[in-house]
Amino acid sequence: AQSVAQPEDQVNVAEGNPLTVKCTYSVSGNPYLFWYVQYPNRGLQFLLKYITGDNLVKGSYGFEAEFNKSQTSFHLKKPSALVSDSALYFCAVREGGSQGNLIFGKGTKLSVKP
Amino acid sequence: EPEVTQTPSHQVTQMGQEVILRCVPISNHLYFYWYRQILGQKVEFLVSFYNNEISEKSEIFDDQFSVERPDGSNFTLKIRSTKLEDSAMYFCASSERLRKRGELFFGEGSRLTVL
Repeated sequence: AQSVAQPEDQVNVAEGNPLTVKCTYSVSGNPYLFWYVQYPNRGLQFLLKYITGDNLVKGSYGFEAEFNKSQTSFHLKKPSALVSDSALYFCAVREGGSQGNLIFGKGTKLSVKP
Repeated sequence: EPEVTQTPSHQVTQMGQEVILRCVPISNHLYFYWYRQILGQKVEFLVSFYNNEISEKSEIFDDQFSVERPDGSNFTLKIRSTKLEDSAMYFCASSERLRKRGELFFGEGSRLTVL
């Protein structure tokens, strides 16, 4: 069965510092990996995805993520955090070739302080 | 930019009442989904829908739940007899045909409160 783990409930970062939000996954086939962001009282917004190719993928708002097959990880990163990045971040996985159902992690709350 | 729209944004209902949540997916999308998020918990898959039928559903999606696309634009989730534990944020999502590797586009959500 597919699963996603986000080991941190909350990540605290000072503005201007690099940030990392961790994600590990488990699928039986090739993974399709996604990051979504949820601002307060809003829906889920797509940030980036890994399907195939370069292990480092770049997405919206300066975020990037690195796919590591050996560690089954897909950590979200940003070189310099902004206060406006404060939100709830969800990692999601879809098994390659499946109908499209995404399995989400429990979410990590990112708090960026000035 | 095209977006998924959901109504109502918030509904309060009494336990045992029927609720219908509505969604208008992005117009050229053919795969539709409902997810829910109980307050403070993870986003959970409920059901996916393609070609006017359910393609996949989770164990949460029991006989109290149903979906339909009555008029080619709306995609609805019906809860026949609501329970307290149905209180959650319900998200509709859609994705493009043939782009199974594409991302899902989510609506803003409908918050359901069952009293």
